[in-house]
This record gives sequence, structure tokens and C-alpha cells, in this order.
Amino acid sequence: GAGVSQTPSNKVTEKGKYVELRCDPISGHTALYWYRQSLGQGPEFLIYFQGTGAADDSGLPNDRFFAVRPEGSVSTLKIQRTERGDSAVYLCASSLTRDTGELFFGEGSRLTVL
Amino acid sequence: ELKVEQNPLFLSMQEGKNYTIYCNYSTTSDRLYWYRQDPGKSLESLFVLLSNGAVKQEGRLMASLDTKARLSTLHITAAVHDLSATYFCAVDDSNYQLIWGAGTKLIIKP
Repeated sequence: GAGVSQTPSNKVTEKGKYVELRCDPISGHTALYWYRQSLGQGPEFLIYFQGTGAADDSGLPNDRFFAVRPEGSVSTLKIQRTERGDSAVYLCASSLTRDTGELFFGEGSRLTVL
Repeated sequence: ELKVEQNPLFLSMQEGKNYTIYCNYSTTSDRLYWYRQDPGKSLESLFVLLSNGAVKQEGRLMASLDTKARLSTLHITAAVHDLSATYFCAVDDSNYQLIWGAGTKLIIKP
């Protein structure tokens, strides 16, 4: 596919469970970002990868959140011991490099924690 | 800490009218982005503004950037219903993060 692909599109889970959200960026894009968007708000930065390494994870809200990008392409956002407050749309974006600036977003993964 | 404010947050207007959305930010930055979001959809890039005085136009939308005033505007000319959406501005804080405004929900009535 030509765009950023995210799976699952919807995830409903129970409080305390573990979830993984996957992002497949545009081929050749080295920069990958995770954002979280709550209803009626702008996206909130979580983490940025340049290649395989997390260049900035300062947006992760606590240590229940973790993300990896082992081969510099697909990334997985992992959330342990989910809480109701984690419910949001998790957006992934990629760009060719950090300096090209323009981000291309996926459709998002809507997480609902019951 | 960089803060981004948009106004108005909600705008209802008639087709055919002109209006402007404003984006103010609090610290120096030379990169600003405008995105569109339709309900339940992801974010679509509209404009990337990279320098003071930059002006870009696409159809009925025109965006400009004044880095000295720390202000960007998104101007809508002769609005049509298809432009109904939420519009976000986002400012690069030079630490690989985009700081986003709260969004302007635009409703254009026939």
C-alpha cells in the first residue's frame, strides 16, 4: 500500500489487559511518530523513531507504554496494564526523513478500555 | 514550553463567504503545518510553511506564516460545503515534536 497502515483499526479491551498496536509506515520513510488523540483535541506526541532507535520518547505518559521499531520499518506500540484513561485514537505518522517535515498519518487505532 | 492556540475553535458559516482561522504560537519556530481532519478519519496534510512570509494556496484555501508575529492564518475563500472539517495547525518545536492546536471545527452551511 502507498500510505501508512495501522492495525487494528479498533480495539476494545478490559482494564488491566495488555495491547499491541501496529504501524506500517510508507516504504522508505525513516522517521516514524506515534501520537495519541482524544476526542475533540489535537494529537499529543508520544514517541519519535529515526530508523530503529527511539530518538525521543519523552511523550510516553508512563512506563506502561513502550514502543519498538526493530528493523527500522514496522513499529509496535505496547501498552501494559491498560487503564480507562488510555482510551483514545493512537495515530502513527511517517516522514521521509526528520528534516522533510511533512508527516503522513495512518487512519489510527481506536483503543477503548472498559 | 511551546504552546499553540487556534481561534476560533468553532466556526459556522454560509457557503460563499470568506473567513480566516488564526494560529498563534508562543516561542520561536520556523516550521508550521496545517492539517485537515474529517470526522472519524485521520489527518490530511494541507500546507507546510517553512519560512517567514511563506504563503501557499490550494483551491479555496490559502495559508501564510509570519514568524516574527508567531502567527499563521488559514484563509477560506468562497467557502463550499466540502470544506467542512476540523482544521489543525501544528508547530515544530525543533525537538522532533509537533505541538498541535486544539483544532477549529468548521461547518459550512449550504
